[in-house]
Amino acid sequence: TQLLEQSPQFLSIQEGENLTVYCNSSSVFSSLQWYRQEPGEGPVLLVTVVTGGEVKKLKRLTFQFGDARKDSSLHITAAQPGDTGLYLCAGAKTDSWGKLQFGAGTQVVVTP
Amino acid sequence: DTGVSQNPRHKITKRGQNVTFRCDPISEHNRLYWYRQTLGQGPEFLTYFQNEAQLEKSRLLSDRFSAERPKGSFSTLEIQRTEQGDSAMYLCASSRTGIGTEAFFGQGTRLTVV
Repeated sequence: TQLLEQSPQFLSIQEGENLTVYCNSSSVFSSLQWYRQEPGEGPVLLVTVVTGGEVKKLKRLTFQFGDARKDSSLHITAAQPGDTGLYLCAGAKTDSWGKLQFGAGTQVVVTP
Repeated sequence: DTGVSQNPRHKITKRGQNVTFRCDPISEHNRLYWYRQTLGQGPEFLTYFQNEAQLEKSRLLSDRFSAERPKGSFSTLEIQRTEQGDSAMYLCASSRTGIGTEAFFGQGTRLTVV
C-alpha cells in the first residue's frame, strides 16, 4: 500500500507541451523528494523540498511542496523526449532522508 | 566518486535456491538502505544500517531474508529458499548521517525466480 498517491499513472504528450504530475498524501512529511527512473535502472534524485510552500526550479522542471507538507507537484515546461521516464515522489517522515515512502510513480512519455 | 554499486545486475534462479546480492555504497556514506521494487510500484523500504548496525527492519523482510554489513562498508542481502513472489528489483541506497542528508541509489539487482 502506497501512502503517497501519484496522479496520473501515465502521461503521453508531444514534444513542446507542458505537463504536471501530482503527489498527494494524508500524512505530513519532513521532506519530499522527486526521483526519475529509467527502465532497469535505479532512481536518480532530482530535487528535495523541505519547507511548506517551497518552490524549486531545475531548468524546465518546477517543484512545489504544499503548505501543509502533505502534497507536492512537478511541472515540466516544453517537454522534450529526454524527459521520458518514471517520475517517483518519496516522502521522509524523519530527519533521515534515506528512509523513504514512495508513490507508485507516473510514467511520462514524450514523443517527438 | 563512483556512486552506489550493486552486483550482480541481473540474477535468474530456480525456486528454492538461495541468492545473495552485494551493495557497495558511496565511500563516505555511513548509512545504507535496501529497498524492493516490483513491477508498476515504487520502491518499498526493507532495512537500513548505520555503519555495521542494522537499525530498522520492515515487516516486508521475512525470516528468509537477511542483510549484513559486517565492517560498515559493503552490505549483502541474502534470500533463502526463494519463491516466485521474490521476483523484483532490489535497490540499495546510501547517505551520510545527519539532518537533511539525501540518499543516492544504485542501479539495482533484478531478480527473477523461475
